[in-house]
Amino acid sequence: GESVGLHLPTLSVQEGDNSIINCAYSNSASDYFIWYKQESGKGPQFIIDIRSNMDKRQGQRVTVLLNKTVKHLSLQIAATQPGDSAVYFCAEGILDDKIIFGKGTRLHILP
Amino acid sequence: NAGVTQTPKFQVLKTGQSMTLQCAQDMNHEYMSWYRQDPGMGLRLIHYSVGAGITDQGEVPNGYNVSRSTTEDFPLRLLSAAPSQTSVYFCASSRVLSYGYTFGSGTRLTVV
Repeated sequence: GESVGLHLPTLSVQEGDNSIINCAYSNSASDYFIWYKQESGKGPQFIIDIRSNMDKRQGQRVTVLLNKTVKHLSLQIAATQPGDSAVYFCAEGILDDKIIFGKGTRLHILP
Repeated sequence: NAGVTQTPKFQVLKTGQSMTLQCAQDMNHEYMSWYRQDPGMGLRLIHYSVGAGITDQGEVPNGYNVSRSTTEDFPLRLLSAAPSQTSVYFCASSRVLSYGYTFGSGTRLTVV
């Protein structure tokens, strides 16, 4: 079925280190994938997206990797800062259809 | 631009009551959706719309109705509230779905 799951519910990272948040998806027909960041008490915010015909996409301090062979998605955050503390969701979608979210990973930054 | 506006921000209902959660966007976005967020469950899609006059069911549509009479508004109706509908509800809109959603700030609903 259409489901998106995550490998780890909570990730603790030292400030300044790189963070890697993982996501597994099940729908091989998904055309694109999106990472969202949700801070406490707020709605999710778009971070970065990647199309299914891409393997890697970079943004400001973030990189998303897509491995379609094993249906795996990851978000890498470089030089993690206290402001990166949040819950991160991956989501998958099919063009002109719905977007399905995963359960989320809480990123905790250690001082 | 106000973005995506949800009202109310907080609501307490008694079991069996009905109510409408309001969602409005001023960005002329065609795509709109409603999600609910429970602890440990992530965001689950309730209903979505790809344009005015068109709606469809998501993952958890039971107990909810929607309509999309205008591009701007996408209200969510709870027909007969149940404690299982206690959740935070998010409305979202998008011009191009593959570019992601803009989310509202949410409505925290408690059903007692």
